[in-house]
Amino acid sequence: AQRVTQPEKLLSVFKGAPVELKCNYSYSGSPELFWYVQYSRQRLQLLLRHISRESIKGFTADLNKGETSFHLKKPFAQEEDSAMYYCALKHLPPGLSGTSYGKLTFGQGTILTVHP
Amino acid sequence: EPEVTQTPSHQVTQMGQEVILRCVPISNHLYFYWYRQILGQKVEFLVSFYNNEISEKSEIFDDQFSVERPDGSNFTLKIRSTKLEDSAMYFCASILTSGGANEQFFGPGTRLTVL
Repeated sequence: AQRVTQPEKLLSVFKGAPVELKCNYSYSGSPELFWYVQYSRQRLQLLLRHISRESIKGFTADLNKGETSFHLKKPFAQEEDSAMYYCALKHLPPGLSGTSYGKLTFGQGTILTVHP
Repeated sequence: EPEVTQTPSHQVTQMGQEVILRCVPISNHLYFYWYRQILGQKVEFLVSFYNNEISEKSEIFDDQFSVERPDGSNFTLKIRSTKLEDSAMYFCASILTSGGANEQFFGPGTRLTVL
């Protein structure tokens, strides 16, 4: 069964410290993984996706298929990074390689608090 | 920048009543989704919708739930007879195409409270 696990419900760091939000997944096919962020009183919004290997707001995430992980990292946390972070896996229906109906399975979320 | 909108932002209803949650997806998007999040729990997929029919639904989406795209813009989720355990945040999402790593855009959510 497909599963996304974020082991830390809460994570607190001080401004300028490195931060790593952990995400592990279980999926039988070739996964597409995303990080979504939800700032206070705002909607879920995409932070980054593994396929584009981009860095957004200083965050990066590398897909490690051997460890089935997609951890989110930032070398120097800022106070404005405080938010809820969700790791999500996008499903591919069997037999439809390269396309999907796009259902997302989310992890439990990690609340990141960056203290001044 | 276009956004997914949802109304109402908060709906309070009595157990057993019908509720309709409304969403306006981004105008040129083709795939639509409903998710829910019970307080303190993870965001869960309910249903996906494409070409005027359900593409996929989860176990949660039983016969008390239905979805509809009544016109070219709205996408609705109906719960026929609400239960206490239906209290949750309901998110609508849309995507232009299903392929690859295209981004799902989420609405702000409707908080449903069943008393």
